Amino acid sequence: EAQVTQNPRYLITVTGKKLTVTCSQNMNHEYMSWYRQDPGLGLRQIYYSMNVEVTDKGDVPEGYKVSRKEKRNFPLILESPSPNQTSLYFCASSLTQGGSDGYTFGSGTRLTVV
Amino acid sequence: DQQVKQNSPSLSVQEGRISILNCDYTNSMFDYFLWYKKYPAEGPTFLISISSIKDKNEDGRFTVFLNKSAKHLSLHIVPSQPGDSAVYFCAASWANNLFFGTGTRLTVIP
Repeated sequence: EAQVTQNPRYLITVTGKKLTVTCSQNMNHEYMSWYRQDPGLGLRQIYYSMNVEVTDKGDVPEGYKVSRKEKRNFPLILESPSPNQTSLYFCASSLTQGGSDGYTFGSGTRLTVV
Repeated sequence: DQQVKQNSPSLSVQEGRISILNCDYTNSMFDYFLWYKKYPAEGPTFLISISSIKDKNEDGRFTVFLNKSAKHLSLHIVPSQPGDSAVYFCAASWANNLFFGTGTRLTVIP
């Protein structure tokens, strides 16, 4: 089944403790992206990657890092999480840049930073 | 500044009737527009898209209309079904980014 898999689904952590949210897709998509969803703000792009070793900032990159060492994986790293990073995170992949063919989204990771 | 806006947070429609969800945008550089549907505890699911050079695209019960002069698009669902109850996000594509609206919660009443 074609899918984007994110782990974990739920995570509660403390301020300053480094964490990684993993994302993997099995569709051989070149384009991958991370979004966060907050009430009243919709989904906002954090980082995106056009291919292996090619990443760039989205709208809200502060406090996040990403890497793309393999085509299928695009982990999101929070080096020193803060409470304002409490949010619902989605990873997505697409065959084309900009997602005109429609992104495939993962099921989401709900992160709480206390 | 929100480049894609959905001004109606919620909409209720009777089963079998038409649902019309609206979206406005500010950036004339957007080249694709998309609609996504989201159920609780799931990621958004792609529904339908339209290129900026077209004014209408239809897929089964779903039709998207684009009015470039008004910077407005809408999604029509006919006939509406209870399973259509979800949050609908409008999105617009430009420069490797997909900009999302804040969503409209559609409730279809049986």
